[in-house]
Formats: sequence, structure tokens, C-alpha cells
Amino acid sequence: KAGVTQTPRYLIKTRGQQVTLSCSPISGHRSVSWYQQTPGQGLQFLFEYFSETQRNKGNFPGRFSGRQFSNSRSEMNVSTLELGDSALYLCASSLEVNRETQYFGPGTRLLVL
Amino acid sequence: KNQVEQSPQSLIILEGKNCTLQCNYTVSPFSNLRWYKQDTGRGPVSLTIMTFSENTKSNGRYTATLDADTKQSSLHITASQLSDSASYICVVSANAGNNRKLIWGLGTSLAVNP
Repeated sequence: KAGVTQTPRYLIKTRGQQVTLSCSPISGHRSVSWYQQTPGQGLQFLFEYFSETQRNKGNFPGRFSGRQFSNSRSEMNVSTLELGDSALYLCASSLEVNRETQYFGPGTRLLVL
Repeated sequence: KNQVEQSPQSLIILEGKNCTLQCNYTVSPFSNLRWYKQDTGRGPVSLTIMTFSENTKSNGRYTATLDADTKQSSLHITASQLSDSASYICVVSANAGNNRKLIWGLGTSLAVNP
């Protein structure tokens, strides 16, 4: 089985722009979670989607949003980018919502200038 | 406040040596503890998962221990290899009803030198 794929792998944006990241889960996995990883904060949970519905949400501002499609693929959008949004954005898939075993993608490295 | 603290922050060892990484947590209600290995430029990969009743679990050269009384876990790497160079992250799961909350540590960065 192919693993979790994320595109693009690297991205450079400027402040005020918006960005959309994509994640394709492992075939058959219906839950997709998004995380932001920075050296000082570690992994921080953004949100989890299951069956095209957001099931869990972390403590991030409304500039961070996501959606899931009927094929379980997910996108994450960040609007009005700030310098502090520079991070590695990781996507993880699992069979069901709230399942303990997650499989992570390689991440998208976002740099905001 | 739910918290996971890892030590040391970084570690350099010579190839072939053993090392032990620490994870202390204050998480309630505790469900399980997992160790992840994250190579540079890659996503985390699960090494072991331990529940309340488990004291020791091995995965090849990786051995994790859990002391639920003192809320401490360790990850011991035996006969280190260059490929062990990575960040090792401890994450504790807290279950409250139907919601699962994961509390992540900041990780220990391990460098194995030849």
C-alpha cells in the first residue's frame, strides 16, 4: 500500500498570502489529521476530519481551515499568512476517527517571508 | 495541566554505544504512551505503544519502559547505528469519554557519529 502523500513538499510564501496544502491518506483510511510542527512547540494538533466532517479541533485561529473530500483526501488552508506560520505541516491518516494508530506523511515545509 | 517533558533535548553518541532517552508526563486520564522516531525531512514513525499495565516493550534494538506510578518512560537504544540519528518523540494519549487528546513532547534529537 502506498503511504500518506503530501503536496507540495516545500513552499515559500510572503506575509498576507494564503496557502493550500494537500494530503492523500493511505487507501482505506477515512480519518485525516493535521499537525503543525515547530522546533519550539513540537507537534500541535490542528484538526481531524472523518467522512468529510471535522470531528476534532485544536486551538488554532480561524485562519486555519480544512476540508475532506469524498475520497478521503484532505486539504488544509491558511489565510493571511504570518511569519509565525512557518513550520512543517504534517498530515496523518488512520482507519477511523480517534484511532490511536496514525500514519504520518512526509510533511509540507512552509516558509513565510 | 497535561504536559510531556523529554530529556535530554539533544544527544550525541558514537556508533555502537547504547543510550537512554527519558519522558516524564503529567497527563490525566492516562490511556497510553507512544514513542515515535522522526528522521529529518520525514514524518514520525511509531516505534512502540505502551498501556498502563505494560512495563517493558521491545522493537528490535529499541526497548521502551513505563512506570505508571512515577509517570516516567524511557526509550533505550542498544548498539546504536548511524541510521538511529533522528528525533525521538514521546506522546501520551488521554481519553476523556469519546474524545482522545494527544500530548506531544518536544523530542530528543539524537546524533550517532561514526
